[in-house]
Amino acid sequence: SQTIHQWPATLVQPVGSPLSLECTVEGTSNPNLYWYRQAAGRGLQLLFYSVGIGQISSEVPQNLSASRPQDRQFILSSKKLLLSDSGFYLCAWSVQGGYTFGSGTRLTVV
Amino acid sequence: QQPVQSPQAVILREGEDAVINCSSSKALYSVHWYRQKHGEAPVFLMILLKGGEQKGHDKISASFNEKKQQSSLYLTASQLSYSGTYFCGTINRSSGGFKTIFGAGTRLFVKA
Repeated sequence: SQTIHQWPATLVQPVGSPLSLECTVEGTSNPNLYWYRQAAGRGLQLLFYSVGIGQISSEVPQNLSASRPQDRQFILSSKKLLLSDSGFYLCAWSVQGGYTFGSGTRLTVV
Repeated sequence: QQPVQSPQAVILREGEDAVINCSSSKALYSVHWYRQKHGEAPVFLMILLKGGEQKGHDKISASFNEKKQQSSLYLTASQLSYSGTYFCGTINRSSGGFKTIFGAGTRLFVKA
């Protein structure tokens, strides 16, 4: 069966520090992978999506970046975090149809 | 480009029905529906791919009107477990079919 792993679950980081969130998918090949961010009490904002290794599409210009070094691995990074980067980060995959989301990372930038 | 959901919030008593609407200003390829419990990730409910398509399981169903560029989610005889925030996600024909844009969500609270 297909599963998606996302870690860490929670993270508290100081302003200006780097960030690396990792997402891996099991049980499927060549999935479309996505990073979404959700501010408290708000909707889901698409940050990046990838249809294959090394292929990244950015939706929102900001100080975040994404990489897909392997077929089932998707990484969200930042060199220097801002206060506004706080939120609930969700990785998701789809092969056909709807999305399956990871359990999310709650990031607080202090 | 973000689909518009209505209502923003709804409070129901157990056993009552609710309808949540999702409208887009662009031609839609498909519509997804998700439910998110507080502090958790959204969970996929269903996807509608064709205009006129209707789907459902248990007492939750949805319809997709391609001409009107809208979808509706129907919750019948609501249960306490239906509480949460419901999101529609739309894939527009112009977006290449790879990305879903989500509405702002509809908060549903079911009380005993």
